[in-house]
Amino acid sequence: EVQVVESGGGLVQPGGSLRLSCAASGFIFSDHYMDWVRQAPGKGLEWVGRMRNKANGYSREYAASVKGRFTISGDDSNNSLYLEMNSLKTEDTAVYYCVRVTDYSMDVWGKGTTVTVSS
Amino acid sequence: DIQMTQSPSSLSASVGDRVTITCRASQDISRSLAWFQQRPGKAPKSLVYAASILQSGVPPKFSGSGSGTIFTLTISSLQPEDFATYYCQHYKNYPLTFGGGTKVEIK
Repeated sequence: EVQVVESGGGLVQPGGSLRLSCAASGFIFSDHYMDWVRQAPGKGLEWVGRMRNKANGYSREYAASVKGRFTISGDDSNNSLYLEMNSLKTEDTAVYYCVRVTDYSMDVWGKGTTVTVSS
Repeated sequence: DIQMTQSPSSLSASVGDRVTITCRASQDISRSLAWFQQRPGKAPKSLVYAASILQSGVPPKFSGSGSGTIFTLTISSLQPEDFATYYCQHYKNYPLTFGGGTKVEIK
C-alpha cells in the first residue's frame, strides 16, 4: 500500500525550532517529487515547499512565507522526508501534510501532524 | 504569483443534485490544474489532475474540465459522502497556489 505518515509535531515557543518527519512506503521514494502543505486552523491549504526527485538532484522550492526559515531534506536510504523549521512564528501554527507528487501533481496525502507555536 | 479564485465559496445542495464549482487562474496555466476534496477533520484527497484526469480510484461521478484560465469540477448526483470542501490548485510554476475552497453543504 502506498502511504506517507507524518510525525514530529508538537507545541513550540515562538522563535523555536521543530523537525517534522515523513515516512514513505509502498513506492520508490527517490523516483518522486515530495511536497509539504499546511493548513492553519479554520483556513485553507497552503503549499510550503517541494523537493524534487533524485533524477533532478533533490533540488528544492519554497513558499516565500517560509523561505530562509524552513528546510526540506530527504533520506532515500530510509524513505523519509523531513521539514526542519526554525525561527517559528505563531502564524506557522497549522496541520502539516506530507504529499507525494506524481507527474507534477500531488497524489498521495498523509494524515498530517499538528504544529502549535505559542508561548 | 498566480492567484486561484474559486466560486462559489459555499453552496447548499441536496442528495442527488448535480453541482459545478468554478476555478479561475490569474494567468494562463494551460491544463496544470488539480482538484482536491477535504472532508471535515480529514486530510485532503486528490481527485483530478491535468484539469480532467481522474486519480486512480476516484468515481466517474467527478469530472473536471477547462484549460487556460477557467476550470470546472462537476459532481453528478451528490451523495452524503460528497459533502466536503473542494480546492483547486495550479502547478504551472512556483509558488504553487490553492484556491480558497468551496464548501458543499447539505440543503
